[in-house]
Amino acid sequence: AQKITQTQPGMFVQEKEAVTLDCTYDTSDPSYGLFWYKQPSSGEMIFLIYQGSYDQQNATEGRYSLNFQKARKSANLVISASQLGDSAMYFCAMRPDSGGYQKVTFGTGTKLQVIP
Amino acid sequence: DAEITQSPRHKITETGRQVTLACHQTWNHNNMFWYRQDLGHGLRLIHYSYGVQDTNKGEVSDGYSVSRSNTEDLPLTLESAASSQTSVYFCASSESLSLTPSYNEQFFGPGTRLTVL
Repeated sequence: AQKITQTQPGMFVQEKEAVTLDCTYDTSDPSYGLFWYKQPSSGEMIFLIYQGSYDQQNATEGRYSLNFQKARKSANLVISASQLGDSAMYFCAMRPDSGGYQKVTFGTGTKLQVIP
Repeated sequence: DAEITQSPRHKITETGRQVTLACHQTWNHNNMFWYRQDLGHGLRLIHYSYGVQDTNKGEVSDGYSVSRSNTEDLPLTLESAASSQTSVYFCASSESLSLTPSYNEQFFGPGTRLTVL
């Protein structure tokens, strides 16, 4: 069974500062993928970034980077230079890579508020 | 542009009624999923399908059913709606996993807010 833990229900960050959203996971699968999604107040789920468990380098997408520490089973999202539009719920998720198995497990989310 | 749509966007119904939520995708994805989102629980998987005529139960499938008669649609039916099924429902789709595990992000619909009175 897979489990995703996001221990920060809510966070504040000053505009233009960097912020780290924590995510730890538990799985027995040898190969898996990790995702972060953003959900603004409008409700849609927006894909941000992906990290494969065998990727040698941490994933980056613009201002988003994923701090992947496999031994610690953590996949923290780092947002650099926060903007007001970054205020949203953020969900960490994972999916095993075994055979066509596509089920994604989500964490409970972190609500980020960017302060001007 | 390819997309995934859900209808209705908002629905109010009464306890005991049958309700069907529609999900339609034009990505031509084989995999489709239904989730419910509740405060404090994140998104939880209700049912999923890997292709036409294939359906599988997720972690919170009791009281829900799906059918997959074509690639584009995966309707979710609440056989007898209960107040505990008041939630926001998301449909998602993804490509089949290739031999080399990779991206395979799930594309989400805009969600349906269901209230059962």
